[in-house]
Amino acid sequence: KAGVTQTPRYLIKTRGQQVTLSCSPISGHRSVSWYQQTPGQGLQFLFEYFSETQRNKGNFPGRFSGRQFSNSRSEMNVSTLELGDSALYLCASRLADNEQFFGPGTRLTVL
Amino acid sequence: AQSVTQPDIHITVSEGASLELRCNYSYGATPYLFWYVQSPGQGLQLLLKYFSGDTLVQGIKGFEAEFKRSQSSFNLRKPSVHWSDAAEYFCALTSSGTYKYIFGTGTRLKVLA
Repeated sequence: KAGVTQTPRYLIKTRGQQVTLSCSPISGHRSVSWYQQTPGQGLQFLFEYFSETQRNKGNFPGRFSGRQFSNSRSEMNVSTLELGDSALYLCASRLADNEQFFGPGTRLTVL
Repeated sequence: AQSVTQPDIHITVSEGASLELRCNYSYGATPYLFWYVQSPGQGLQLLLKYFSGDTLVQGIKGFEAEFKRSQSSFNLRKPSVHWSDAAEYFCALTSSGTYKYIFGTGTRLKVLA
């Protein structure tokens, strides 16, 4: 089975722009979670989607949003980018139990 | 509040030596516990998990971890470290019915030849 894939792998944007990141879960997995990883804050949970519905949300501003499609693929959007949004964004998918499988991440740099 | 603490930010060991990475958690009920490894520029790979049952769990790459409820710990061990084990290790917890993982801050392992 193919693993979790994330596109693009690297992205450079400027302050004020918006960005959309994509995640394709493992086939059959209906849950997709997003995390932000930075050297200062570590791994922080953004949100989780299951069957196109957001089930849980972390403590991030409304500039961070997401959605999930009927094929379980998910996108994450960040609007009005700030320098502090530079991070590795990780997507993880899950089947039935609580074991998550992570993708390689998208490295976002905001200039 | 739920939390995961990895008290060691950096650990250096010689190749062939034994390894123990510490993880302490705070949670009101029995958590589901995980250890992940992350190589530079990569995502996280699951090493092992504890849901219930036997408190000593075996994982991939020769790693094992022991759940100690009385000490709120879930330490990761390996009897003989290989140079390829150099990476960052994360302990995480979640619980049944929730969908949010809480991660520790990670321990960066350096292996000396």
